[in-house]
Amino acid sequence: EPEVTQTPSHQVTQMGQEVILRCVPISNHLYFYWYRQILGQKVEFLVSFYNNEISEKSEIFDDQFSVERPDGSNFTLKIRSTKLEDSAMYFCASSELSGRARETQYFGPGTRLLVL
Amino acid sequence: LAKTTQPISMDSYEGQEVNITCSHNNIATNDYITWYQQFPSQGPRFIIQGYKTKVTNEVASLFIPADRKSSTLSLPRVSLSDTAVYYCLVGDGMDSSYKLIFGSGTRLLVRP
Repeated sequence: EPEVTQTPSHQVTQMGQEVILRCVPISNHLYFYWYRQILGQKVEFLVSFYNNEISEKSEIFDDQFSVERPDGSNFTLKIRSTKLEDSAMYFCASSELSGRARETQYFGPGTRLLVL
Repeated sequence: LAKTTQPISMDSYEGQEVNITCSHNNIATNDYITWYQQFPSQGPRFIIQGYKTKVTNEVASLFIPADRKSSTLSLPRVSLSDTAVYYCLVGDGMDSSYKLIFGSGTRLLVRP
């Protein structure tokens, strides 16, 4: 069964450093998403991406965040200057059609980011 | 902005039916309500979705009243492996203001 993959599984960084989280969505899917989950809290929507541009984004997704699809398979989330409060699990997801709740999203295993 | 409310936690025993309700006012009128299951250190996994009335699949049922201000996930005859966090996912707003909103999650503990 096709699945979403994410690398790295864990990343430790110093405050102020840039990090890039990588995802490979399911190959025939058109919509891609990033979510954040702070330890012990709920899953929070960050951004959705379609046709090489941001489709929707939340208030959390400020200027320090950016997303990119650098080639035909990877989808990345960049955090320019990490803060302590960016420590969380970051999930990538993809869906075949539409960025709406009606569309089943397939989630990757997550990248646990720790900012020191 | 749509506000979602779920019970923080629920306890059950193996073999019982469990019903988890998510309250969601002001959701997008033309969108579905979807439920996901999450195990520790894993990404959420799709369980079921619906628009109105009742939907049933091989693992769960979903009840949505006519006003769509809530939805109830029903897990028949739970087992220990159903211990997880359950989230409702709804859409809020239209077109350019659309946002995906996960509920706060319900931590289900199934005891032997």
